[in-house]
Amino acid sequence: DGGITQSPKYLFRKEGQNVTLSCEQNLNHDAMYWYRQDPGQGLRLIYYSQIVNDFQKGDIAEGYSVSREKKESFPLTVTSAQKNPTAFYLCASSGQGVQETQYFGPGTRLLVL
Amino acid sequence: GENVEQHPSTLSVQEGDSAVIKCTYSDSASNYFPWYKQELGKGPQLIIDIRSNVGEKKDQRIAVTLNKTAKHFSLHITETQPEDSAVYFCAAEGYSSASKIIFGSGTRLSIRP
Repeated sequence: DGGITQSPKYLFRKEGQNVTLSCEQNLNHDAMYWYRQDPGQGLRLIYYSQIVNDFQKGDIAEGYSVSREKKESFPLTVTSAQKNPTAFYLCASSGQGVQETQYFGPGTRLLVL
Repeated sequence: GENVEQHPSTLSVQEGDSAVIKCTYSDSASNYFPWYKQELGKGPQLIIDIRSNVGEKKDQRIAVTLNKTAKHFSLHITETQPEDSAVYFCAAEGYSSASKIIFGSGTRLSIRP
């Protein structure tokens, strides 16, 4: 089955802790994205990567970090610097180009203890 | 910065009736307008998209119209069914911000039996 997977489905973060969200795709897509979704708001771009070993900040990158060591993987770390991390995090992938369809994973809900 | 406004935020229609969701965008250079459907607890899924070289596109019960002059685009769902209940997001190609695609804030559509 081709697709994009995210894990875990739910994640709990303690004060001062860094947590990492996993995103894997087997669609052979070059581009991958991380979005944050808050209630009543649209999706906001955190980071994106158009090619392995390269990534760019989105509109709300502060307090987050990413890596792209493999084409199929784009993990997101929510650092302790992110003061309001509670949200639904969505990973997506697409072919190269803005007009390529973005395929989304099922999401990870991050909650703060 | 670039903006996509979406209305209404919630919409309730009788099963079998039509539903219309409207969006406006700010960047006149945008040429690509996708619509996504998000079911509860899942990631968004592309349902239809339109490019600026056409004014309307149809796919079974779903249609999208685009008015580039007015910078408006709309989603029309006819003969609504219970499985149409979801959150719908419009989006527009972004240029001046870091985001490749700018999303609207979403419309929660409920279909009454």
